[in-house]
Amino acid sequence: AQTVTQSQPEMSVQEAETVTLSCTYDTSESDYYLFWYKQPPSRQMILVIRQEAYKQQNATENRFSVNFQKAAKSFSLKISDSQLGDAAMYFCAYRRNSGSRLTFGEGTQLTVNP
Amino acid sequence: GAGVSQTPSNKVTEKGKYVELRCDPISGHTALYWYRQSLGQGPEFLIYFQGTGAADDSGLPNDRFFAVRPEGSVSTLKIQRTERGDSAVYLCASSIDSYNTEAFFGQGTRLTVV
Repeated sequence: AQTVTQSQPEMSVQEAETVTLSCTYDTSESDYYLFWYKQPPSRQMILVIRQEAYKQQNATENRFSVNFQKAAKSFSLKISDSQLGDAAMYFCAYRRNSGSRLTFGEGTQLTVNP
Repeated sequence: GAGVSQTPSNKVTEKGKYVELRCDPISGHTALYWYRQSLGQGPEFLIYFQGTGAADDSGLPNDRFFAVRPEGSVSTLKIQRTERGDSAVYLCASSIDSYNTEAFFGQGTRLTVV
């Protein structure tokens, strides 16, 4: 079974600074997808960024980028120029290429200090 | 609708009662997912529909939980003989089809069993 682990229950960052959230996963599959989701107090999960395992290039979406290390099964999220609106719970998630369900980590609560 | 709609937003019920949680997916989305998120945890998969049929219900915890999607659009998650351990946020998500990796989430229903 696939597992996703986020070892940082809480992180904090100063506004305009950079923060990195960690995620590791375990799978025997070679083809899969990895995601970072943001969950604000409204509870709605919002997709931040997605990475296909077959792509060597790290995904980037504006201020958000990932460091995908397939051999190490590591998938960290870097948020640059942090903004107050980035404060939320962040979840790392995994999906098999041939499957449909998402497997989530435990989450990291990010606080952005003004 | 513009997004995934879940009703009610909050539900308080007494132990032993029956509850129904509704999910209205994005129009035209054939894939629909239910997840359960306990306090301080990541969402856990419950069931996935492709059209009207349950393609994967392996996440349902026991036979008190049941879900339907009779016309391939709105889905209802039904919980019989509720227990205090059923208290959680129930999240619904939809995607265009099961191959598309972008799932759009609703704001969830917070169920409290007293």
